[in-house]
Amino acid sequence: QVQLVESGGGVVQPGRSLRLSCAASGFTFSSYGMHWVRQAPGKGLEWVAGIWFDGSNKYYADSVKGRFTISRDNSKNTLYLQINSLRAEDTSVYHCAREVRRDFDYWGQGTLVTVSS
Amino acid sequence: DIQMTQSPSSLSASVGDRVTITCRASQTIRTYLNWYQHKPGKAPNLLIYAASTLQSGVPSRFSGSGSGTDFTLTISSLRPEDFATYYCQQSHSNPLTFGGGTKVEIK
Repeated sequence: QVQLVESGGGVVQPGRSLRLSCAASGFTFSSYGMHWVRQAPGKGLEWVAGIWFDGSNKYYADSVKGRFTISRDNSKNTLYLQINSLRAEDTSVYHCAREVRRDFDYWGQGTLVTVSS
Repeated sequence: DIQMTQSPSSLSASVGDRVTITCRASQTIRTYLNWYQHKPGKAPNLLIYAASTLQSGVPSRFSGSGSGTDFTLTISSLRPEDFATYYCQQSHSNPLTFGGGTKVEIK
């Protein structure tokens, strides 16, 4: 069955960097667009970034453009999110999600990033 | 950017109640509207895509309707497992955006 498992979260100081990973299994990873969606404590879902099935096109929310980089390694069935210059407002649970028709049919449970000094 | 506004932000209902949640887009999105259910600590679950198409495996008590700017999610008869937060999401244009969520609580 389809599984998406995020990792790489933790407590990080403001201004530092972090790389999140999402390991995919149970489907042909290289055939699907993938996304990151986050949820800050007590807040709703916020779309962060997306990448085409082959990595040729990437797009970002304005709130993270220039600081976040989405990438993928189809040989490893893994999606990544590089987060630089972390801010307190980046504190969130980060979910990866598989795209179908520009909706998200499978999601991971998420990894928590806490930005704190 | 397309803004998505959900109402109400929360509601209290009893098992067996009919529940309706609305979602309004700041500009027309035709039927590029999706609905998700999210429970704390769990992965969100796609319920409805393209405004009214039930995702495979989702119970038929869930239904969606609307087009243009106004959409609704209806739960025909609330079950205990339906207490959760529901989000709409537009897939018409980038950036993809979600509504603020509607928390369905037990009365």
